Amino acid sequence: GENVEQHPSTLSVQEGDSAVIKCTYSDSASNYFPWYKQELGKGPQLIIDIRSNVGEKKDQRIAVTLNKTAKHFSLHITETQPEDSAVYFCAARGRRALTFGSGTRLQVQP
Amino acid sequence: NAGVTQTPKFQVLKTGQSMTLQCAQDMNHEYMSWYRQDPGMGLRLIHYSVGAGITDQGEVPNGYNVSRSTTEDFPLRLLSAAPSQTSVYFCASSYSAGGGYEQYFGPGTRLTVT
Repeated sequence: GENVEQHPSTLSVQEGDSAVIKCTYSDSASNYFPWYKQELGKGPQLIIDIRSNVGEKKDQRIAVTLNKTAKHFSLHITETQPEDSAVYFCAARGRRALTFGSGTRLQVQP
Repeated sequence: NAGVTQTPKFQVLKTGQSMTLQCAQDMNHEYMSWYRQDPGMGLRLIHYSVGAGITDQGEVPNGYNVSRSTTEDFPLRLLSAAPSQTSVYFCASSYSAGGGYEQYFGPGTRLTVT
């Protein structure tokens, strides 16, 4: 089955800096790559996603890049704000369902 | 729309007890799934359903049963709870299993088995 690895597990940045989270996947048939943000005590919420026929997608301060050859994709957050502090999960949709990475706890220091 | 709702929010069970975690969605979604979330392990798929009457196993199905008699409801049953099932459980739904449709998650059920 699909295996998704996510790094780093924790990330601390100063407000205004950029944050980058990286994921790799194993199943070359995977074709959909969402990113979720989870705040304390809540369920994950989709923040951005990318499909396999696209290399990059941007939504305001958030961007995702996909390299299908290398089987890795990354989340970029620019001009970070304290409200960006949360746990972020990447996921890859393989043959049956979404497989999630282990999560990155992002702390934005004011 | 209420979205995806889960009950209860918290539950404490003794080893060997049984219980059902409820999940309902009002978005007419075909696809529903159950995940468990453990520290440092992300979300792992337990069972999923691509429509009423159709269910299948995910990555960690042992100790759990599901059924899907209606489009709206997808309960998760623990037949004989074990401490290893202490976790936070999330139900999710999406329009379809394929095509990259967004999955909407419920608020979660925090289960402790003593």
